[in-house]
Amino acid sequence: AQSVTQPDIHITVSEGASLELRCNYSYGATPYLFWYVQSPGQGLQLLLKYFSGDTLVQGIKGFEAEFKRSQSSFNLRKPSVHWSDAAEYFCAVTSNNAGNMLTFGGGTRLMVKP
Amino acid sequence: DADVTQTPRNRITKTGKRIMLECSQTKGHDRMYWYRQDPGLGLRLIYYSFDVKDINKGEISDGYSVSRQAQAKFSLSLESAIPNQTALYFCATSADRGSGNTEAFFGQGTRLTVV
Repeated sequence: AQSVTQPDIHITVSEGASLELRCNYSYGATPYLFWYVQSPGQGLQLLLKYFSGDTLVQGIKGFEAEFKRSQSSFNLRKPSVHWSDAAEYFCAVTSNNAGNMLTFGGGTRLMVKP
Repeated sequence: DADVTQTPRNRITKTGKRIMLECSQTKGHDRMYWYRQDPGLGLRLIYYSFDVKDINKGEISDGYSVSRQAQAKFSLSLESAIPNQTALYFCATSADRGSGNTEAFFGQGTRLTVV
């Protein structure tokens, strides 16, 4: 069965510091990978997605993620965090034979120190 | 206006009561989904529908039922609510392109509390 692991439940970084949120997946088929962000009281907003091609994908708000098949990882990065980035981040995976049904990781809550 | 609208946004109900959460979308998508979010568990799939005549159970369907009234409407019911169904519920939609490489669009969520 497919699974997604986000090893870090909480992360605190200083404003202006770099950020990396980890995501590992276990999936039998070719994965399609997503990162979503959930701000307090809000729904989920798509940050970026990987379907095929270049393994480094750019998203909104200055985020990027790199797909590493050999490590079954899809880590999210940002070079300089802003206070408005404080939110919960979810990694998710689906595949060609799973329709669009997403399997989510448990989420990482990001706090930003001034 | 939001593309995926959920009502109500917040609801407190008593144990044993029947409650319906509604979802409507203006994206013209065939596929609709209901997820629940619990702290530390991410989102888990309750039910999904690939078109009006297609309803399927997800990972955690026990205690829930759904109705796809139209392409644009997909409601989730708790026939007899229990406290461990307290959660944040999300409706989502996606286009049908015959594969997984399309994104899902989420509503704002319904926070349900069962007391």
